[in-house]
Amino acid sequence: SQKIEQNSEALNIQEGKTATLTCNYTNYSPAYLQWYRQDPGRGPVFLLLIRENEKEKRKERLKVTFDTTLKQSLFHITASQPADSATYLCALDKGYSTLTFGKGTMLLVSP
Amino acid sequence: EPEVTQTPSHQVTQMGQEVILRCVPISNHLYFYWYRQILGQKVEFLVSFYNNEISEKSEIFDDQFSVERPDGSNFTLKIRSTKLEDSAMYFCASMSEGANTEAFFGQGTRLTVV
Repeated sequence: SQKIEQNSEALNIQEGKTATLTCNYTNYSPAYLQWYRQDPGRGPVFLLLIRENEKEKRKERLKVTFDTTLKQSLFHITASQPADSATYLCALDKGYSTLTFGKGTMLLVSP
Repeated sequence: EPEVTQTPSHQVTQMGQEVILRCVPISNHLYFYWYRQILGQKVEFLVSFYNNEISEKSEIFDDQFSVERPDGSNFTLKIRSTKLEDSAMYFCASMSEGANTEAFFGQGTRLTVV
């Protein structure tokens, strides 16, 4: 069956460091992969989208990689800040626009 | 900035009652979705809606669920006879073009079935 796993339920890092979150999937052939941020009690907020033929995408302090051979995406936040503390969701899109989400990784950035 | 709005923010209902969750998607968007998130679990797809009909639905979206776009602006999710396990956050989302574009989510309706 199809499965999406995000590396850990929680990740604690110090302010200024780079946070790296992992998304692995099996039995999928996604056309696109998206990353969202979710704060407690709120809806997901879109961050980045990467296509299957793209290796890397950047937006300000965010970077996403997508390796369709390893079936893995890495999400990096450089120079992390306490305001980056949230749950980050990986979502796969097979190309029909419906998203399949992972459970998310809760990131806590300490001052 | 345009946003997806959902009402109510919190709905408490008795088991067996019907509920209607309302959403106003972003005005020029064409694809509409309902997702749900049970407390502590992942966001799950329920249904997608395009061109005034359901384009895809998950196994969660059984005969108790229905969606409607009654007036060209609102998008509703109806649960006919609520069960305790329907308690969750329900998120409405819209996209401008479907695949390869970001989804804009509303703030959600917390449904509590007692």
